Amino acid sequence: RKEVEQDPGPFNVPEGATVAFNCTYSNSASQSFFWYRQDCRKEPKLLMSVYSSGNEDGRFTAQLNRASQYISLLIRDSKLSDSATYLCVVNRRTRHGSSNTGKLIFGQGTTLQVKP
Amino acid sequence: EPEVTQTPSHQVTQMGQEVILRCVPISNHLYFYWYRQILGQKVEFLVSFYNNEISEKSEIFDDQFSVERPDGSNFTLKIRSTKLEDSAMYFCASIGPPYDQPQHFGDGTRLSIL
Repeated sequence: RKEVEQDPGPFNVPEGATVAFNCTYSNSASQSFFWYRQDCRKEPKLLMSVYSSGNEDGRFTAQLNRASQYISLLIRDSKLSDSATYLCVVNRRTRHGSSNTGKLIFGQGTTLQVKP
Repeated sequence: EPEVTQTPSHQVTQMGQEVILRCVPISNHLYFYWYRQILGQKVEFLVSFYNNEISEKSEIFDDQFSVERPDGSNFTLKIRSTKLEDSAMYFCASIGPPYDQPQHFGDGTRLSIL
C-alpha cells in the first residue's frame, strides 16, 4: 500500500467551480501534513499546512482527520491560475528535531485543469 | 524572501560519468535534503543531512550517491557513475530555525543521462 494516496485525476472544472481533493496516509506516526502545489516541471511550492482543527486561506480550506488518516483540500471559486498538480505531503519526526525536520513523503499528486 | 538556489538548472551527462549537483540552502538553515522526481512520477526522498552527517537516507540512495557540505554555504549531491534511470529532476530543500514552516525547495536541476 502506498504511504500517501491521492486520486491522480485529472479534475477538469469550469472557472468558478468548487473542487475537493482527498488524500489518505497509511503511517499513523506521521506528524505534519501539507498541501503543496506543483506546476509543470517546477519545484513543489507550499500551499498550506493542514491542522486537525481545519484551516482556511482565502479560497482554500484544508482539513485533517487523524482518526481516519485522511486529508482534504477544498478550492472555492476556482481560477484559471489554479490549474496545477496538488501534492498531499506528510512529514515524520526524525531522531534529531521537530516534526518539520523529518523527510517529506509525497503523494502522486492530483491534477486540476480549470477551463474558461 | 530568502531562497534555496540550485545549479545547474539542466545537466546533460553521458552514462557512466560522475555528476555533481549543487545547492545553496537558506543561510541560517541547519537541515538539508535532496529529493528527486522522475518524469511523470511522484517526488521521492533521497537523503537528509544535519550537523555534517547523513540523518536518514532512502533505499534509492545507494553507494553511487554521496552528499557533502564542503563549506559553509554549499550542499552537493554527487552521483559517481550515472545510469539512464538517474534521469530526473533533483530538488534540494532546507529548513530552519525556526521550524514552524516546512522545507523550502530550490527550483531543481534537471538531470538528463544519455
